[in-house]
Amino acid sequence: GAVVSQHPSWVICKSGTSVKIECRSLDFQATTMFWYRQFPKQSLMLMATSNEGSKATYEQGVEKDKFLINHASLTLSTLTVTSAHPEDSSFYICSARARTGSSPLHFGNGTRLTVT
Amino acid sequence: QQQVKQSPQSLIVQKGGISIINCAYENTAFDYFPWYQQFPGKGPALLIAIRPDVSEKKEGRFTISFNKSAKQFSLHIMDSQPGDSATYFCAATANNLFFGTGTRLTVIP
Repeated sequence: GAVVSQHPSWVICKSGTSVKIECRSLDFQATTMFWYRQFPKQSLMLMATSNEGSKATYEQGVEKDKFLINHASLTLSTLTVTSAHPEDSSFYICSARARTGSSPLHFGNGTRLTVT
Repeated sequence: QQQVKQSPQSLIVQKGGISIINCAYENTAFDYFPWYQQFPGKGPALLIAIRPDVSEKKEGRFTISFNKSAKQFSLHIMDSQPGDSATYFCAATANNLFFGTGTRLTVIP
């Protein structure tokens, strides 16, 4: 089956620093990748949608200058949390879709970010 | 605005029993309805999915029932096992995927 690899699985950083999270589709080309954020015991909230070679589309309320998304290739998207603060501590999950339209989304295993 | 409404929030079922989780939606543009299973500290894993031209889909112990006119769909887990204890999310998509609020299922031995 389609595999999405997310790295790192957890990271602890100091307030004010930036953290980069990678999302790779290992056995398929992902035309679209999605980034979600999940707080404890809550659902996944879509942050942004990224298409290879174009700018990401951010959901309302998500700061695009704080959460930088790059989708440089069909197998790699990155999320950079810039100038992280404790309130950015969360579980970040990426997902990828192999083709456009309605098709299964395959998820990475998430990255637990803790900002101290 | 919550695009997909899910209930119950939590569910406790005896081993061997049937777990039922319900979801409802409003957007008629949705054309694909997956269910995801999530264990703590892990990303969601696709469990089973259905398209609106089908009223029921069964895969092993998992069945989706879909009522297009009512805009409702549900997940039935037959012969529930302790290993099924997880959080289950329904979802709906046209292009973007919208998740329900999740149901924390606990199957007690």
